[in-house]
Amino acid sequence: DGGITQSPKYLFRKEGQNVTLSCEQNLNHDAMYWYRQDPGQGLRLIYYSQIVNDFQKGDIAEGYSVSREKKESFPLTVTSAQKNPTAFYLCASSNNPRDSLSGNTIYFGEGSWLTVV
Amino acid sequence: AQKITQTQPGMFVQEKEAVTLDCTYDTSDPSYGLFWYKQPSSGEMIFLIYQGSYDQQNATEGRYSLNFQKARKSANLVISASQLGDSAMYFCAMREGRTGNQFYFGTGTSLTVIP
Repeated sequence: DGGITQSPKYLFRKEGQNVTLSCEQNLNHDAMYWYRQDPGQGLRLIYYSQIVNDFQKGDIAEGYSVSREKKESFPLTVTSAQKNPTAFYLCASSNNPRDSLSGNTIYFGEGSWLTVV
Repeated sequence: AQKITQTQPGMFVQEKEAVTLDCTYDTSDPSYGLFWYKQPSSGEMIFLIYQGSYDQQNATEGRYSLNFQKARKSANLVISASQLGDSAMYFCAMREGRTGNQFYFGTGTSLTVIP
């Protein structure tokens, strides 16, 4: 089935440790995104990538890093510099709009829960 | 300024009744798209409905309709004949023509359907 796969679903991080969240899509989408969601809150953009080997910071990029070596993969590393990483992380993808009126929506993975222990 | 504003943190509706979830947006781009998503307690985000800025008619998808009032910059979601399974968080989002690849999300509205 086509879609976005995030792993792991649940992850525990020790203080001072880097962890990487995986995101893979087989929708042939050019653009990929990482969002952070805190309990009862909306989505905040961490990083996004419009094309392979290129990515841009979102609103809360500090303490996070990404790579886009393949079209289908966009892993997110939560570094030790991120002081409050406990949250729900959502990966998403979409087609690059040739026309924003095309209605190309953004598709989400099932999310990853990260907890600091 | 917030691109998307959802002013209702929580809403309750009786089963089988209709409910309106509010969304206002802010953009100077004449070309934009508006989206609504549902997030059940499992966490997945489910696409519900889309409205383009130049669409003449309000979008409808089954029991979902979008009340698009361009002059007021509002894009309210109407759910008709509410069901218990509609209980979830609902997010309004916008994609602008200029930036294209950024989706701006509101803070969400928690909807509870009462039997």
